Amino acid sequence: QSVLTQPPSASGTPGQRVTISCSGSSSNIGSNTVSWYQQLPGTAPKLLIYDNNQRPSGVPDRFSDSQSGTSASLAISGLQSEDEADYYCAAWDDSLNGRVFGTGTKVTVL
Amino acid sequence: EVQLVESGGSVVRPGGSLRLSCAASGFTFDDYGMSWVRQAPGKGLEWVSGINWNGNRTHYADSVKGRFTISRDNAKNSLYLQMHSLRAEDTALYHCVRGRTGDLDYWGQGTLVTVSS
Repeated sequence: QSVLTQPPSASGTPGQRVTISCSGSSSNIGSNTVSWYQQLPGTAPKLLIYDNNQRPSGVPDRFSDSQSGTSASLAISGLQSEDEADYYCAAWDDSLNGRVFGTGTKVTVL
Repeated sequence: EVQLVESGGSVVRPGGSLRLSCAASGFTFDDYGMSWVRQAPGKGLEWVSGINWNGNRTHYADSVKGRFTISRDNAKNSLYLQMHSLRAEDTALYHCVRGRTGDLDYWGQGTLVTVSS
């Protein structure tokens, strides 16, 4: 089951800034770093952000994240059409002794 | 180039068993923990299981605990998921993923498991 809560959708026009929230608890986001994954239509998920705002090679710096207490957020600045995708947050949960994913947010570029 | 290629998915009846495999290449396999993550049709991601580099530590989602077993063969650069007592709700695309408690940095394309009578 999803233990991390995200809004089901978010949208913006090209060039705008969009933020996606991820709400958890003390046993997951409150204790461990959050990572974010991007899933383009019809493809496997891809690691987008990890370890407090680190980006794998090839991920543009338009993507950034922040984490405070039991919440985290992903920001996409300068929104582009190729950013249309599903986005998931994830963290290790010390109580469940397993990984938990967010419910997922579909980003639409208007 | 890191590659993770899953196989073994098929249509199986409720209560049946299946073994998924993942062939890894392009990196030193026994340097990394590995995981299985599934995605039911039209649904979100669900972590299933993880294993550390030498197989001594394993973790399972409550939804599969007691029914699924994760294992690895470092000599063959391979990851496995043995699934028993399959249910309709196990129907999903199963991804092999590099990483365990930390980031999941490389994902395979997945193998489809359909549980149906």
